[in-house]
Amino acid sequence: QKEVEQNSGPLSVPEGAIASLNCTYSDRGSQSFFWYRQYSGKSPELIMFIYSNGDKEDGRFTAQLNKASQYVSLLIRDSQPSDSATYLCAVIRDYKLSFGAGTTVTVRA
Amino acid sequence: DVKVTQSSRYLVKRTGEKVFLECVQDMDHENMFWYRQDPGLGLRLIYFSYDVKMKEKGDIPEGYSVSREKKERFSLILESASTNQTSMYLCASRNGAANEQFFGPGTRLTVL
Repeated sequence: QKEVEQNSGPLSVPEGAIASLNCTYSDRGSQSFFWYRQYSGKSPELIMFIYSNGDKEDGRFTAQLNKASQYVSLLIRDSQPSDSATYLCAVIRDYKLSFGAGTTVTVRA
Repeated sequence: DVKVTQSSRYLVKRTGEKVFLECVQDMDHENMFWYRQDPGLGLRLIYFSYDVKMKEKGDIPEGYSVSREKKERFSLILESASTNQTSMYLCASRNGAANEQFFGPGTRLTVL
């Protein structure tokens, strides 16, 4: 079993819609959870992190964490063409940050 | 602004060559990492270092070694490059266990 699993996608949503991305992790000792965005040909950049169960909102982005279910999600509201990218879920335990394979999102104008 | 730089954006090497990939960060970060990224496999950790002269194996260390002689510099070494090491290599740095991890621009290595 992979440490971090994501829906492989691709996910295609119309402009203005909500994009929903899911991620599960296997290590119950994971301490913090991150969502990175990676544009084609670029390196990943952090968009959200969450430590505690529940929701965390930052602008159009909401991260949700459920440690009992070992599940973390990212919602992108009012999706824009500029949100078209690959989204990487990552979890950390001690020094090590482990990544999922990523979900590619395409926002249709 | 944190800056992580890598010595080359593109590199082409021959099978059996020794390859050095250099990474430098300018924010005095303790922790530095080397990943490779392949389609469908995501980012996989090769090695990391949490202090000068310290190194730890990641998930896929075979065929690689690292060097950290100074806090700001972390080098990845391919002792004898092979075609299955053709990949995008990403360096990253971070301060502390749970803070944001910053990535360099990546080096696309092709081994012929």
